Amino acid sequence: DTAVSQTPKYLVTQMGNDKSIKCEQNLGHDTMYWYKQDSKKFLKIMFSYNNKELIINETVPNRFSPKSPDKAHLNLHINSLELGDSAVYFCASSQLGLASHNEQFFGPGTRLTVL
Amino acid sequence: AQKVTQAQTEISVVEKEDVTLDCVYETRDTTYYLFWYKQPPSGELVFLIRRNSFDEQNEISGRYSWNFQKSTSSFNFTITASQVVDSAVYFCALMNSGYSTLTFGKGTMLLVSP
Repeated sequence: DTAVSQTPKYLVTQMGNDKSIKCEQNLGHDTMYWYKQDSKKFLKIMFSYNNKELIINETVPNRFSPKSPDKAHLNLHINSLELGDSAVYFCASSQLGLASHNEQFFGPGTRLTVL
Repeated sequence: AQKVTQAQTEISVVEKEDVTLDCVYETRDTTYYLFWYKQPPSGELVFLIRRNSFDEQNEISGRYSWNFQKSTSSFNFTITASQVVDSAVYFCALMNSGYSTLTFGKGTMLLVSP
């Protein structure tokens, strides 16, 4: 069974469109994340949710809106897509707690291409 | 503020050579965690190791070894007898004691040729 899954794996769309990327984890973790990897391979945190509540928002444009319907899902909706949004988006999950800071389990990534 | 520096952008070696990937970090926290991830050409991120700031013991796992030195704020990664399958981008990352997000270095691309 896949621990952290993302759909779709590839997404090609036109500038100005709205799109969503879905993420699901079956590890029972309480914290989920979205990271963006740009064309130079640089990975940067975008959002973090703990128990469906937003805890980290790293100065991401308002066009990006994460939604967590439950602990196992963290979806990323992007409005009015721009060329600069082209990147690979990784979802991850982990379990926080006193013995926290365990590894983050990453999804396979979604390659978004905006034309 | 946290920062991770991987000064080596790209390293090319021939199979069976040993190679060391450097990682230098900056943090004001006394409790923190260091990680290495591998990203092969297929694109997924593969966890390699986690180290907490209180454990400076070096670690060896097969051909992989890690050298953590708090005095120099470094967490270097050595691959012994490299193989073509080791070709990948390797990321060093730092996690503080807050909300556990990872701060990544820019990665080192390792190319191992036959």
